[in-house]
Amino acid sequence: NAGVTQTPKFQVLKTGQSMTLQCAQDMNHNSMYWYRQDPGMGLRLIYYSASEGTTDKGEVPNGYNVSRLNKREFSLRLESAAPSQTSVYFCASSDTSRKDEQYFGPGTRLTVT
Amino acid sequence: AQSVAQPEDQVNVAEGNPLTVKCTYSVSGNPYLFWYVQYPNRGLQFLLKYITGDNLVKGSYGFEAEFNKSQTSFHLKKPSALVSDSALYFCAVRARGDYKLSFGAGTTVTVRA
Repeated sequence: NAGVTQTPKFQVLKTGQSMTLQCAQDMNHNSMYWYRQDPGMGLRLIYYSASEGTTDKGEVPNGYNVSRLNKREFSLRLESAAPSQTSVYFCASSDTSRKDEQYFGPGTRLTVT
Repeated sequence: AQSVAQPEDQVNVAEGNPLTVKCTYSVSGNPYLFWYVQYPNRGLQFLLKYITGDNLVKGSYGFEAEFNKSQTSFHLKKPSALVSDSALYFCAVRARGDYKLSFGAGTTVTVRA
């Protein structure tokens, strides 16, 4: 089992460019999440998908869109990148039960210049 | 709204000494509480969780945490710290009936040889 995988690992964008961060999990989990991690702020939830076919906004959804392509894959899109979106992005997944722990991917380090 | 506070940005201990990382939370109703650890350039790894039952929860790598409802705290402890425990530790809370996990800002633990 690879667990949760994310691509790319690193990315540099210019302001206004777009890109999609990919995430896949092989644990047959129903729920998937996208977070951003910034120094001194912990992790903040951008979007989540409780199950295939559903997505919901988290704390900081502005400037992002998501697609739950199927049960395995959950992508995050930046339509017009801004320097404020420079961050480390983590994808996570968990089983249906809300008391279960989340499993995290290795992260994508994004720099917007 | 739910939130987590980790009052210490950094904790420094000598190897072999006890380690405590503090966490307090705010949530409506009874909480689900979690501790995660992050090693440099890695995603978060689950350490332990409190769902219900015994207030003392044991987890991975010799860590444990004590749930204190009256003080709304969930401090992480290890009786004898190792240099390899040096990492960034996050406390997280989820309200029952919710998918969203709220993280604290994190505490950097440094264990010196």
